[in-house]
Amino acid sequence: EAGVVQSPRYKIIEKKQPVAFWCNPISGHNTLYWYRQNLGQGPELLIRYENEEAVDDSQLPKDRFSAERLKGVDSTLKIQPAELGDSAVYLCASRQVETQYFGPGTRLLVL
Amino acid sequence: DQQVKQNSPSLSVQEGRISILNCDYTNSMFDYFLWYKKYPAEGPTFLISISSIKDKNEDGRFTVFLNKSAKHLSLHIVPSQPGDSAVYFCAASEVNSGYELNFGKGTSLLVTP
Repeated sequence: EAGVVQSPRYKIIEKKQPVAFWCNPISGHNTLYWYRQNLGQGPELLIRYENEEAVDDSQLPKDRFSAERLKGVDSTLKIQPAELGDSAVYLCASRQVETQYFGPGTRLLVL
Repeated sequence: DQQVKQNSPSLSVQEGRISILNCDYTNSMFDYFLWYKKYPAEGPTFLISISSIKDKNEDGRFTVFLNKSAKHLSLHIVPSQPGDSAVYFCAASEVNSGYELNFGKGTSLLVTP
């Protein structure tokens, strides 16, 4: 069974530029999560989707971050414009019953 | 407000010995607990979990213990192998929050030959 797929794996941009991350969850997993992991920290939730509905986006900085999951399968997370503090690893996960499975992450560096 | 804490940033154990990683939590509503293992440049990999209705769950060399009254869980690895060297994250969730994970900061385990 294929795992959670994320792209790109690495991204380097200059501040104020836009950036987008893509995630394809494990087939059949209706719940999808985006997390952000800063260096030396555990992942922190940004947003949770149940099918195509964002049921918890309370931790998403809405002034510059947006996300979508139009057909209830793959999802895109966007930052516009990026700031230096956005440098982190962005992780996507999908859930089966109680357990979440993570993708490899996208490492973002904002210069 | 860190609801899940891993107070040991690092741990070094000899190959063949037991590794014990600890985790404390503050939210009594958490009802599902997980351990993830993370290698550099990879995403967290699910290792083992435990429901709040249990106090022990075992899977091969890995055992997780839960002490609800102390709000404490631990991961035992016996015997430890060099390939176990990684960062281990403790995470907690509750069904009423869609199993959103609250992570500790991780413990870096080094297993030496």
